[in-house]
Amino acid sequence: DVKVTQSSRYLVKRTGEKVFLECVQDMDHENMFWYRQDPGLGLRLIYFSYDVKMKEKGDIPEGYSVSREKKERFSLILESASTNQTSMYLCASSPPPGHPQHFGDGTRLSIL
Amino acid sequence: AQKVTQAQTEISVVEKEDVTLDCVYETRDTTYYLFWYKQPPSGELVFLIRRNSFDEQNEISGRYSWNFQKSTSSFNFTITASQVVDSAVYFCALSEPYTGRRALTFGSGTRLQVQP
Repeated sequence: DVKVTQSSRYLVKRTGEKVFLECVQDMDHENMFWYRQDPGLGLRLIYFSYDVKMKEKGDIPEGYSVSREKKERFSLILESASTNQTSMYLCASSPPPGHPQHFGDGTRLSIL
Repeated sequence: AQKVTQAQTEISVVEKEDVTLDCVYETRDTTYYLFWYKQPPSGELVFLIRRNSFDEQNEISGRYSWNFQKSTSSFNFTITASQVVDSAVYFCALSEPYTGRRALTFGSGTRLQVQP
């Protein structure tokens, strides 16, 4: 079974802090994704990566950056956290597009 | 542009009732994939089914069945004889792998509550 592991289930940070969310997958998938989930809005794509050091912006990249130094790890960075970034963050990985994405358990991030 | 609409925000049923979750999609591609995911209260998204645009056969898996109709751009999900464990948020999603968009486009989700 594919395993996607997110470093924290719950995280509380303060406005202005730099926040790192880590995601690791164990299936050698080339594609990795970060989504944000808010009530009534479904999942929205923040960034994705299709190879090491390669990344593309999703639908809502403002205020975020990402890093993929190794194939199995994809990090989401909030450069200067703001209260409107309080949300559930979900990481996913997949083989070539068209295949199911496999999700981590999510990180519920609160910015105070 | 791609879009997925789940018009039902929340549905509440009593155990053993049948329930259908609607999903309508928009795409300009002829080759695409549709998915359903389940998100139980614990939070993780669980993959349920994938259907490609060339296969309109309905699918049944136990109490779950899916009805794909290209003519109406719909991919509806029916749970027969619902159970309390079916309580979750269900997401429909669209993949257009040949457009360069590698990510899924999700609907806003339908929260299903099954009362005992």
